[in-house]
Amino acid sequence: QKEVEQNSGPLSVPEGAIASLNCTYSDRGSQSFFWYRQYSGKSPELIMFIYSNGDKEDGRFTAQLNKASQYVSLLIRDSQPSDSATYLCAVRAFGNEKLTFGTGTRLTIIP
Amino acid sequence: DTGVSQDPRHKITKRGQNVTFRCDPISEHNRLYWYRQTLGQGPEFLTYFQNEAQLEKSRLLSDRFSAERPKGSFSTLEIQRTEQGDSAMYLCASSPLYEQFFGPGTRLTVL
Repeated sequence: QKEVEQNSGPLSVPEGAIASLNCTYSDRGSQSFFWYRQYSGKSPELIMFIYSNGDKEDGRFTAQLNKASQYVSLLIRDSQPSDSATYLCAVRAFGNEKLTFGTGTRLTIIP
Repeated sequence: DTGVSQDPRHKITKRGQNVTFRCDPISEHNRLYWYRQTLGQGPEFLTYFQNEAQLEKSRLLSDRFSAERPKGSFSTLEIQRTEQGDSAMYLCASSPLYEQFFGPGTRLTVL
């Protein structure tokens, strides 16, 4: 079992709709959770991070964390063509500095 | 632009040659990380510095890899006797505490 799992996609969403990206993790000691956006040929760009159960909102983005289910998600409201990218989920364990990444979900927003 | 810079942006080398990459983190960040990313995968952790101290190294970091961060400022990653399997994007990230901000990366191609 991979430490961080994401559906590789591609996930196609119409412009203006809500895109929902999911991530599960295996280490119950995981403490904080990060979402990065990566355009083709570019480096990952931090969108947001979450460490408490529940929702955290930042503009059009909402991160949701359920530690009991070992599940974290990212919702993108009012999806735009510029949101088309690969979204990487990353997890940081307690007492550990490194991030462990999933393989990413490729999202395509259809105009 | 996160403020993290990497040099060079691209490097093509022949198998067996040595290469060195440089990373300049955001000046007030004392944490610095190196990751490697291959096509279709998420970044994989290589090593971590807090100030000038190298505090963690991945098993991925074979004896051919060495990293330094003299004086706790910029960092260098050297790969000796490069192999074709070393071809990847090498990413540097800096952090004030939790969030990690990536530089643009150095794309290495080993022929």
